[in-house]
Amino acid sequence: RKEVEQDPGPFNVPEGATVAFNCTYSNSASQSFFWYRQDCRKEPKLLMSVYSSGNEDGRFTAQLNRASQYISLLIRDSKLSDSATYLCVVNGAGGSYIPTFGRGTSLIVHP
Amino acid sequence: EAQVTQNPRYLITVTGKKLTVTCSQNMNHEYMSWYRQDPGLGLRQIYYSMNVEVTDKGDVPEGYKVSRKEKRNFPLILESPSPNQTSLYFCASSTPGTQETQYFGPGTRLLVL
Repeated sequence: RKEVEQDPGPFNVPEGATVAFNCTYSNSASQSFFWYRQDCRKEPKLLMSVYSSGNEDGRFTAQLNRASQYISLLIRDSKLSDSATYLCVVNGAGGSYIPTFGRGTSLIVHP
Repeated sequence: EAQVTQNPRYLITVTGKKLTVTCSQNMNHEYMSWYRQDPGLGLRQIYYSMNVEVTDKGDVPEGYKVSRKEKRNFPLILESPSPNQTSLYFCASSTPGTQETQYFGPGTRLLVL
């Protein structure tokens, strides 16, 4: 079983829609969680960290469910500019600092 | 400006011709790593370094070497490149710690003929 799993998509949604992605992780000892955004063939950039209590940044909401070992990203009022690949990253599994990346979920927002 | 730089950004080479991709960061980060990204496979870690003179293999180290003689630099060396090493390569750095995020370089597109 892969350590961090994501549905590759693509998720194809109209502008203004609400879309959610999930990411599951296998190691219950994982300590921190992030969502990165990657535009086509460019470097990944941090979108937001994911905190235990859940957190929001404008139209983006991240949630962590430790019991079920998944994190989620909710995007409200999708914009064309949200089209990208969203990477789930898990740090600190088993005491190791080494981050583990999911393969990414592709989002396409169309007019 | 805090950044990770990679050079070259684009490279076309031939099988067996040794090459080095440089990576440099100006944030005094201890942790640096190299990834390759291929369609459908996501980011795969090649090598990482926890500090100067401390390196270790990632998930796909075969055919690659690295060195960490200085904190800011972490070059990736392909001693004898082969076509299956054609890929998009990213260098990343961060401070150690599970709460820290990765800063990525802009990527190097490598084509091995």
